Amino acid sequence: DAGVIQSPRHEVTEMGQEVTLRCKPISGHDYLFWYRQTMMRGLELLIYFNNNVPIDDSGMPEDRFSAKMPNASFSTLKIQPSEPRDSAVYFCASSLAPGNYGYTFGSGTRLTVV
Amino acid sequence: ELKVEQNPLFLSMQEGKNYTIYCNYSTTSDRLYWYRQDPGKSLESLFVLLSNGAVKQEGRLMASLDTKARLSTLHITAAVHDLSATYFCAVLLRDDKIIFGKGTRLHILP
Repeated sequence: DAGVIQSPRHEVTEMGQEVTLRCKPISGHDYLFWYRQTMMRGLELLIYFNNNVPIDDSGMPEDRFSAKMPNASFSTLKIQPSEPRDSAVYFCASSLAPGNYGYTFGSGTRLTVV
Repeated sequence: ELKVEQNPLFLSMQEGKNYTIYCNYSTTSDRLYWYRQDPGKSLESLFVLLSNGAVKQEGRLMASLDTKARLSTLHITAAVHDLSATYFCAVLLRDDKIIFGKGTRLHILP
């Protein structure tokens, strides 16, 4: 298995532009999580899905952030419009059963908003 | 509010020494995880602790869980430079969310 695949690996964009981050979970994993990592705030859970359905989006910072999971093999995290404070590493993770196995993380997308 | 607190946050130690990283959490949970992150890399799962009293070992690392005390430890034996990394503990909540500590940045001096 190729693991959790995220794209792009790096993204540099100008303030006000729309940014879309992509994630392909491990096949068969029913859970998908989006995290954001910064030096100041550490790892923050943004949103997670179970069987393609958003379960908890209480960590999404504001309305500028949205996430979708149209099918079991693809999810997107969109920021519109982007701001410099959104600069961070965004990780996607998937799991078969978090209680028993924890998560498998993707390589992350390093987002820089200038 | 759930808190997952790691101690220490930074640790510089000599090769060959032993040390312990502590992870305290503020809610009831019987699942705890340890991850490793190298600079600029993703998080790699080290240990999944599934019950009170669980102990797991891999090489020079050993993790344990005391759910009554809400405490997990990651013990490093005879440290080597390759173990330099940031180590995160994380706790499972009832709704399948995993909440991470701030991480312990470990630097092992050759």
